[in-house]
Amino acid sequence: GQQLNQSPQSMFIQEGEDVSMNCTSSSIFNTWLWYKQDPGEGPVLLIALYKAGELTSNGRLTAQFGITRKDSFLNISASIPSDVGIYFCAGLPNRDDKIIFGKGTRLHILP
Amino acid sequence: NAGVTQTPKFQVLKTGQSMTLQCAQDMNHNSMYWYRQDPGMGLRLIYYSASEGTTDKGEVPNGYNVSRLNKREFSLRLESAAPSQTSVYFCASTRDRLGGYTFGSGTRLTVV
Repeated sequence: GQQLNQSPQSMFIQEGEDVSMNCTSSSIFNTWLWYKQDPGEGPVLLIALYKAGELTSNGRLTAQFGITRKDSFLNISASIPSDVGIYFCAGLPNRDDKIIFGKGTRLHILP
Repeated sequence: NAGVTQTPKFQVLKTGQSMTLQCAQDMNHNSMYWYRQDPGMGLRLIYYSASEGTTDKGEVPNGYNVSRLNKREFSLRLESAAPSQTSVYFCASTRDRLGGYTFGSGTRLTVV
């Protein structure tokens, strides 16, 4: 079945640094979603992307829908302690399909 | 607040015991889902219900059963719990997949 490869699996950064993570697939997706899961909670939708090349921001977060439709990227600028958590990418091949999730990138912020 | 409510939040079972995880949403969503989350495995779909009255298997359905009781409620049952079912279970719902899923806060299950 379709899979999403999310990298890196884990990141350790200093507070104030910028963060980049990505998600790739061998097949095309028509919608890309980025979720964040805080410790002990369920995932929460951060950004949704619907058009190839689209760049969308949500505060310090910026996500892009890759031109090939096979990848997406998430950037976090000037990280703060509350950015800690797991970031999941998710893709929807078509509206009637089920959403497919990547395995997540766990973000750790060093004091 | 509107959203997805899961009960219980924590549960410890002995091997062989049964239990039902409850999920309810008050957003008038048609589709509901049950996932399990294990370290390094991401979110794996157990069962889903595209609409009231229908249920389908996901990626890892063995050892589980589900019931879509009505439009609001979707329960997950473990008939004979096994240690391999120790996990965090999430329920999710959506009206339109383009808007993504709304997740509950999870049930942390330990089978000893």
